Amino acid sequence: SYEVTQPPSVSVSPGQTASIACSGDKLGDRYVCWYQQKPGQSPVLVIHQDTKRPSGIPERFSGSNSGNTATLTISGTQAMDEADYYCQAWDSSTAVFGGGTKLTVL
Amino acid sequence: QVQLVQSGAEVKKPGASVKVSCKASGYTFTSYDISWVRQATGQGLEWMGWMNPNSGNTAYAQKFQGRVTMTRDSSKSTVYMELRSLRSEDTAVYYCARGHDSSGAVDYWGQGTLVTVPS
Repeated sequence: SYEVTQPPSVSVSPGQTASIACSGDKLGDRYVCWYQQKPGQSPVLVIHQDTKRPSGIPERFSGSNSGNTATLTISGTQAMDEADYYCQAWDSSTAVFGGGTKLTVL
Repeated sequence: QVQLVQSGAEVKKPGASVKVSCKASGYTFTSYDISWVRQATGQGLEWMGWMNPNSGNTAYAQKFQGRVTMTRDSSKSTVYMELRSLRSEDTAVYYCARGHDSSGAVDYWGQGTLVTVPS
């Protein structure tokens, strides 16, 4: 079955750029989306179709996807961005999530 | 406004079944797929399957094949997820979520339903 892999943790200083990778075989051939989840809350969609931001998501969130890696980038990271982030891709009508990345804003 | 409201927490014995409901409002029920995702405490998200409320078509993750069934009652704008032969490893928060577009992303999520299966 298809798998996607994320680093368990990423740290960033406030105001700096955070990048979270999601890796999978020929991932660039599939659409990837990203979710943000804060403790005790339901996930929130922050990027879909590789690069698109849903309404209400700040412009500092952006995405890319090419080759075997998709990347979520948060520019000018704020303390409120500290959360778990999950990538998701689809394979033959079934979805797969990455293991999640804990973003710490130091 | 779009809302997905799930049924309340459940405690089940090993071997039993649980049926979680997800009531949709604020949009045309039959126009968007519904996915089910679960999350054990301190763990990541795990996709279980999806249903097209219009056609009734479903697709389940291989891990849950034969143990899960997703159904709907269009008159109540409600989707159901039944998981059978419960074991302690099924203890988790179960979420329903609405499909956003054809890419498979989901945009609106329910509040989650905690299902506890004591060991």
